[in-house]
Amino acid sequence: KNEVEQSPQNLTAQEGEFITINCSYSVGISALHWLQQHPGGGIVSLFMLSSGKKKHGRLIATINIQEKHSSLHITASHPRDSAVYICAVRSPTSGSRLTFGEGTQLTVNP
Amino acid sequence: GAGVSQSPSNKVTEKGKDVELRCDPISGHTALYWYRQSLGQGLEFLIYFQGNSAPDKSGLPSDRFSAERTGGSVSTLTIQRTQQEDSAVYLCASSLLSSGGGSTDTQYFGPGTRLTVL
Repeated sequence: KNEVEQSPQNLTAQEGEFITINCSYSVGISALHWLQQHPGGGIVSLFMLSSGKKKHGRLIATINIQEKHSSLHITASHPRDSAVYICAVRSPTSGSRLTFGEGTQLTVNP
Repeated sequence: GAGVSQSPSNKVTEKGKDVELRCDPISGHTALYWYRQSLGQGLEFLIYFQGNSAPDKSGLPSDRFSAERTGGSVSTLTIQRTQQEDSAVYLCASSLLSSGGGSTDTQYFGPGTRLTVL
């Protein structure tokens, strides 16, 4: 079993739909990251959180430390949101090393 | 300002040859990371530098892999006697660690080097 698991692996949505991507982890963490990887391969850090909720534009990330679970929500989705979304965790014993989920491929159709 | 840069962007080599991949982190970032993303696979950690030292190199897959960082800036990942399974995108990231030990540790990724071993 991977330390970080994401669901779904693939997600297709229509423009405007509300999207949720889930991440579950099995280790104690000091921080959780959500990353976005575009078709060209570039990776952008979207959020880093250790508790509660963060919002940036149409993106919202939440984390429940007790349940070892995080969600990434996209409101009013747009085709330009099409990308791979990756969850990664940092544990207190691993310094700044990140352990990654397999990623969720999101396709938003116009 | 300039982001993380990596060179070359693409590298095709023959099995058994050595390759060097370069990473230029964001100026002033003390932490530097190397990751690998094989085709159809997730990202995997290779090595982490704090300044010029590597407190965590546990992700290096074999002794054919080595990395160094000089002047607290540029890093080079070297793969000796390349094998076909080394084919992957090699990503570098840097971060500005807070004195508190990482609470503001957003990592900024470079565009990657796509390595193909024939």
